[in-house]
Amino acid sequence: QSALTQPASVSGSPGQSINISCTGTSRDIGSYNLVSWYQQYPGRAPKLMIYEVTKRPSGVSDRLSGSKSGNTASLTISGLQAEDEADYYCCSYAGSRTFWVFGGGTKVTVL
Amino acid sequence: QVQLLQSGAEVKKPGASVKVSCKASGYTFTAHNMHWVRQAPGKGLEWMGRINPNTGGTNYAQKFQGRVTVTRDTSTSTAYMELNSLRDDDTAFYFCARDAGDHDAFDVWGQGTMVTVSS
Repeated sequence: QSALTQPASVSGSPGQSINISCTGTSRDIGSYNLVSWYQQYPGRAPKLMIYEVTKRPSGVSDRLSGSKSGNTASLTISGLQAEDEADYYCCSYAGSRTFWVFGGGTKVTVL
Repeated sequence: QVQLLQSGAEVKKPGASVKVSCKASGYTFTAHNMHWVRQAPGKGLEWMGRINPNTGGTNYAQKFQGRVTVTRDTSTSTAYMELNSLRDDDTAFYFCARDAGDHDAFDVWGQGTMVTVSS
């Protein structure tokens, strides 16, 4: 059982927007603006897509955006494209005893 | 370009140990912490521990305390993760991942090393 809770799957049609939630606690997401999101294709290493809740690394599409409210972070993918079909994981810093925790992952399907 | 190259797949028996290497290139090895993350087949990501390559200081997830050791060799820009007393449920891909520095995220990942534990 993962420390952060994500929906197992989310789907959408091309061009639509989808939202992936990531629910933690006051000890992790609620206490730190250090939420990151990773995209992973089957058989590949994860790739950083969002860091510090809302920031995108260079080269990451601006169709991806992150937000946070209380103990829940969210990743929004707008203008859904076939290439967005992958697994997405959230991660949060959780203090100097637990350090980092991940969500269980969300499979995004483009219909 | 920045790259992390991991050692090859391993097959181990229960109770044995495994040591996975992660060779960094394209950046100053001692300037970024290095993390280890594992992923069991079909499962999610799990943070195991990290090392400060400059000082050698380490932190580990409570789940792995006493069973995992992360070390580094600054002369070869290589980080190592050793896991002892292997069990069947340690079968997983093991990734090294560079800490982005001020941003507390994992910005560069190794390709992963499959460790299979089987009698």
